[in-house]
Amino acid sequence: GNSVTQMEGPVTLSEEAFLTINCTYTATGYPSLFWYVQYPGEGLQLLLKATKADDKGSNKGFEATYRKETTSFHLEKGSVQVSDSAVYFCALLPNTGTASKLTFGTGTRLQVTL
Amino acid sequence: AAGVIQSPRHLIKEKRETATLKCYPIPRHDTVYWYQQGPGQDPQFLISFYEKMQSDKGSIPDRFSAQQFSDYHSELNMSSLELGDSALYFCASSLGILGSYEQYFGPGTRLTVT
Repeated sequence: GNSVTQMEGPVTLSEEAFLTINCTYTATGYPSLFWYVQYPGEGLQLLLKATKADDKGSNKGFEATYRKETTSFHLEKGSVQVSDSAVYFCALLPNTGTASKLTFGTGTRLQVTL
Repeated sequence: AAGVIQSPRHLIKEKRETATLKCYPIPRHDTVYWYQQGPGQDPQFLISFYEKMQSDKGSIPDRFSAQQFSDYHSELNMSSLELGDSALYFCASSLGILGSYEQYFGPGTRLTVT
């Protein structure tokens, strides 16, 4: 079946530090890949996505590149801010017919301090 | 832009009671998904509907049922509530059912069973 593996948190960084959150996946075919962010007490917001190999998704300074050869979709940001503190979920969506449920990783909590 | 609307936002019920959660998708979206997120957990897919028909089913207990109505809104009915049903319930919507269509999440309904 499909699965997503994320690095365990929490990840604690100082403001302006470089961020990497690792994500690898197992899936049949060529899924679409997503990063969702969940701020405290709020719902899931789509941060970025990539729908095919070598695509790079980017938004708000965050980037992730769909690497089929390593089945990875690592999230990066060059300079984090305190306001980036949240839980980040990597997710995949199969591109096989009507099997359209998202499979999430376990989430990585990011804490950014001054 | 209009987003997914969920009601109520918070709900407190006692064991063995019933609860109904409502979801109003983004206008023109024809597909609705329900996810359950336990405390500190990743969201787990429950069920989805496309054009008022069930399209996929995940780990939804038999005590739960759901449907999508002619105006595309959806309701999740939960009976014989258990303490373990306490969770954040997300609804998401998309335009179409193919795996390439991204899902937009609502703010969630936080259900507490006492």
